[in-house]
Amino acid sequence: DAKTTQPPSMDCAEGRAANLPCNHSTISGNEYVYWYRQIHSQGPQYIIHGLKNNETNEMASLIITEDRKSSTLILPHATLRDTAVYYCIVRPGGGKLIFGQGTELSVKP
Amino acid sequence: EPEVTQTPSHQVTQMGQEVILRCVPISNHLYFYWYRQILGQKVEFLVSFYNNEISEKSEIFDDQFSVERPDGSNFTLKIRSTKLEDSAMYFCASTGGGWETQYFGPGTRLLVL
Repeated sequence: DAKTTQPPSMDCAEGRAANLPCNHSTISGNEYVYWYRQIHSQGPQYIIHGLKNNETNEMASLIITEDRKSSTLILPHATLRDTAVYYCIVRPGGGKLIFGQGTELSVKP
Repeated sequence: EPEVTQTPSHQVTQMGQEVILRCVPISNHLYFYWYRQILGQKVEFLVSFYNNEISEKSEIFDDQFSVERPDGSNFTLKIRSTKLEDSAMYFCASTGGGWETQYFGPGTRLLVL
């Protein structure tokens, strides 16, 4: 079973920041937090990952709390093309990904 | 940018027939995975493959399934005798090192009639 909890759905206005929360209260010290998204049954797309520090790339920012029990994915300026299911996954350094139900993000004009 | 490719994009087959789904991982990657997603459900891990052998498999991956890396570029998933419940999207993924990020292909939609 997935070790994360995410809200099933969220809405966001186009051009605004989308903040997607994830709880992972049982995360172990060697487990990373990964975020993927899936646009309309396409293959999951990697977004970002982190261990304990905040991370930023061209797609998003990842904020991990100091106790590492939760994190937030931030899409700074959401567009209609960001409408997708977003998955938060905790994973040790390697091996399979265990997907939960994710958060269905709807970006509205 | 290198990407994982999968063929065919769609496959329709009759129950009991064999199907082979093909994947071309990113060229310097060494670890390969198959996942599936039944319509409306979660993405589920099937199997991981490294150094020409299965490194992990799920309980879904029973004797009807097999994987192979027949040459230096392809990675295949064979379903020996398809069942109706095998209808799903099948995704291939690859990574350069076991600890690295997995990159997914676009998937093959399999429909078993």
